[in-house]
Amino acid sequence: DTEVTQTPKHLVMGMTNKKSLKCEQHMGHRAMYWYKQKAKKPPELMFVYSYEKLSINESVPSRFSPECPNSSLLNLHLHALQPEDSALYLCASSQVGLAGGRRFTDTQYFGPGTRLTVL
Amino acid sequence: KNQVEQSPQSLIILEGKNCTLQCNYTVSPFSNLRWYKQDTGRGPVSLTIMTFSENTKSNGRYTATLDADTKQSSLHITASQLSDSASYICVVGRNTGGFKTIFGAGTRLFVKA
Repeated sequence: DTEVTQTPKHLVMGMTNKKSLKCEQHMGHRAMYWYKQKAKKPPELMFVYSYEKLSINESVPSRFSPECPNSSLLNLHLHALQPEDSALYLCASSQVGLAGGRRFTDTQYFGPGTRLTVL
Repeated sequence: KNQVEQSPQSLIILEGKNCTLQCNYTVSPFSNLRWYKQDTGRGPVSLTIMTFSENTKSNGRYTATLDADTKQSSLHITASQLSDSASYICVVGRNTGGFKTIFGAGTRLFVKA
């Protein structure tokens, strides 16, 4: 199974709403990622979890709150978003290994994304 | 500065024709280079991944090449199909033990009948 699933596929929310995006993988990957992608732009890294611990936070506003309940699940909690936060939110996962004393990550497998619209 | 530049920005070809997309990078230290295909509104799908010691890798009608000396890669698509219409993104990983990868801006390919 080389699939990363994301729910929901589409989400429309108001600026005062609280919602969550969910991501799941069963490939045994120990690194999971959240990306934000605007139209015609490459994905921008938001967060990385490694072995269920937050490893990278790319200075993302606190209205985005990630959570990694276990090695297969990754959530992104949304609260008080702005219209400019409307985008495609992508989850990805990858293997993590050690070679020559250095940690390396293998190919990232991406989910289909959640199309978020903030009104 | 760690950068990945792709060319052309967009490309239109006729169905059945071949095409080649380019990726130049200044990422250091280099770990690996990946090509992804992304359909509009969908997540990227991995096509190939190459490490420093590999200079070519194929996946069906897709063939990627890597010249680590000149820091250039290309993705060659043979006998294009309408379903090849998508964005193709070059992504370079750094050998620093971290998780960040450097994304190119992508090439948008349009295949016409």
